[in-house]
Amino acid sequence: KAGVTQTPRYLIKTRGQQVTLSCSPISGHRSVSWYQQTPGQGLQFLFEYFSETQRNKGNFPGRFSGRQFSNSRSEMNVSTLELGDSALYLCASSGRGTNTEAFFGQGTRLTVV
Amino acid sequence: QKEVEQDPGPLSVPEGAIVSLNCTYSNSAFQYFMWYRQYSRKGPELLMYTYSSGNKEDGRFTAQVDKSSKYISLFIRDSQPSDSATYLCIARDSNYQLIWGAGTKLIIKP
Repeated sequence: KAGVTQTPRYLIKTRGQQVTLSCSPISGHRSVSWYQQTPGQGLQFLFEYFSETQRNKGNFPGRFSGRQFSNSRSEMNVSTLELGDSALYLCASSGRGTNTEAFFGQGTRLTVV
Repeated sequence: QKEVEQDPGPLSVPEGAIVSLNCTYSNSAFQYFMWYRQYSRKGPELLMYTYSSGNKEDGRFTAQVDKSSKYISLFIRDSQPSDSATYLCIARDSNYQLIWGAGTKLIIKP
């Protein structure tokens, strides 16, 4: 069973640009969550999608957006990049049962210069 | 105040020592708790989960939840250099959303 796949693994962008990150969940998983991880703030929840609908949203500005496709693949978009957006962006897929385990991809390391 | 608080460390201990990693949480409605381990340049992976107060043991690892004091602990016996990683504690709310601690960096010195 393939794991969670995130592309690209590394990305360098300049301030003001926009970026799109992609996540393919484990086959059969319909929930995809996105997290931002920085050394200072740790792992912070961005949003969760389930069956193409955003179910939960963290406290991030509107520059951060996402979507989920009918095959459960998800994309995250950040517009008007700022230096502070440099982080590891992690995607996790999970089922929705009581024993919810989140399986993570290896992340996309975004550097904004 | 963050809903799940965790000392970022780093915590450095000699090989073979017993390690104690701790978290506190603020929402008494949290019922389900997990510990994830994250190696450098990797995504987090589930280590243990527990529903209720008390201890849960898995090999060298013991997870402990004290709901009366809203305190979560992970103990590692006979620590190994391969245990060096960042350990994240997580609570799950009633909407199945995972609330993450910031993680504690653990270093086991040979």
